[in-house]
Amino acid sequence: AQRVTQPEKLLSVFKGAPVELKCNYSYSGSPELFWYVQYSRQRLQLLLRHISRESIKGFTADLNKGETSFHLKKPFAQEEDSAMYYCPCSIQGAQKLVFGQGTRLTINP
Amino acid sequence: NAGVTQTPKFRVLKTGQSMTLLCAQDMNHEYMYWYRQDPGMGLRLIHYSVGEGTTAKGEVPDGYNVSRLKKQNFLLGLESAAPSQTSVYFCASSYSGVQGTQYFGPGTRLLVL
Repeated sequence: AQRVTQPEKLLSVFKGAPVELKCNYSYSGSPELFWYVQYSRQRLQLLLRHISRESIKGFTADLNKGETSFHLKKPFAQEEDSAMYYCPCSIQGAQKLVFGQGTRLTINP
Repeated sequence: NAGVTQTPKFRVLKTGQSMTLLCAQDMNHEYMYWYRQDPGMGLRLIHYSVGEGTTAKGEVPDGYNVSRLKKQNFLLGLESAAPSQTSVYFCASSYSGVQGTQYFGPGTRLLVL
């Protein structure tokens, strides 16, 4: 079955340090992967998607089909990056997103 | 433009009671979704709809029913609430299905005693 794993429930880094949130998926086809973020007292919102290959708020994510990963990276963390991050995956033709359990990122001053 | 709204924000139910959660969107989206969020489990899809008058089951549909009588509204019903249904419920809508951006509501916190 399609599955997304975010191995870190909690991740804490210092401001200015690099940050990497891990995401692994189990699907042998051509999945579409996303990163969604939920800031404190805000709605869950799209951060970026792999097909766009864009950088949003300094974050990037590269789809590695060999390692079935879609890790989210930022070279210099900022305090406003503190949030809950989810990495959902969808399969072409299936009308559902499968979410990982999420990673709570805390940026320490 | 309110986006996706959910009613109510918070509710306490006793086991066996029924209730309906309302999701409304003003973006003319075809696709709508209901998720539940539980600690350590991320979001799980309950039911979804690909257009007015259509509904389909997601990952965890048992104990829930849905209706999409109007394009802008997607209702989630609990006929006989159970403590296991204590959760935060999120509604989302999308213009182009799961390949597109999903716009989420603020959530409904439900406690079943």
